[in-house]
Amino acid sequence: KAGVTQTPRYLIKTRGQQVTLSCSPISGHRSVSWYQQTPGQGLQFLFEYFSETQRNKGNFPGRFSGRQFSNSRSEMNVSTLELGDSALYLCASSPGGRPPEETQYFGPGTRLLVL
Amino acid sequence: GENVEQHPSTLSVQEGDSAVIKCTYSDSASNYFPWYKQELGKGPQLIIDIRSNVGEKKDQRIAVTLNKTAKHFSLHITETQPEDSAVYFCAAALEGGGADGLTFGKGTHLIIQP
Repeated sequence: KAGVTQTPRYLIKTRGQQVTLSCSPISGHRSVSWYQQTPGQGLQFLFEYFSETQRNKGNFPGRFSGRQFSNSRSEMNVSTLELGDSALYLCASSPGGRPPEETQYFGPGTRLLVL
Repeated sequence: GENVEQHPSTLSVQEGDSAVIKCTYSDSASNYFPWYKQELGKGPQLIIDIRSNVGEKKDQRIAVTLNKTAKHFSLHITETQPEDSAVYFCAAALEGGGADGLTFGKGTHLIIQP
């Protein structure tokens, strides 16, 4: 079974721009969570989607948003990029929709650099 | 919200020796504690987890212990091998979900010296 895939793998943007990242979960998985990973703050939870609905949300500003499609694929969007948004953005999927205790499978991440 | 402290930030051990990584958490309601291993260029991978109804769990060379009273849990790796070199993250969460999802520690860079 294919793992979690994320596109693109690398991205360079400038301040003020917006960006959309994509995540395809493992086939059959219905929950998708997004995390931001930086050297200073570590791994931080952004939000979780299940059945096209945002179920949980972390403590990030409204510039960070996401959505989930009927096939469980998910996108996250960051508007008005800031230098501090440079990070590795990780997507994780789980089978039946009960994270965080249900095993989450992470993708390789999208590395975003904001100049 | 939950806060997870992880120590040490870097751990260097000789191949074949044991490695121990420790984490403490702040929210006594947390009852699910997974450990992840992240290799260079990859996303974190779950290696073992423990729930609050047990004090210890083993899987081959890896074990996790939990002390709910003291609010700390530890990862033990025995007979370390070169492929164990990676960054390890502990995490804590409230089973059933919550606004914070998984709260991670800052990570431990484990280096296995040949």
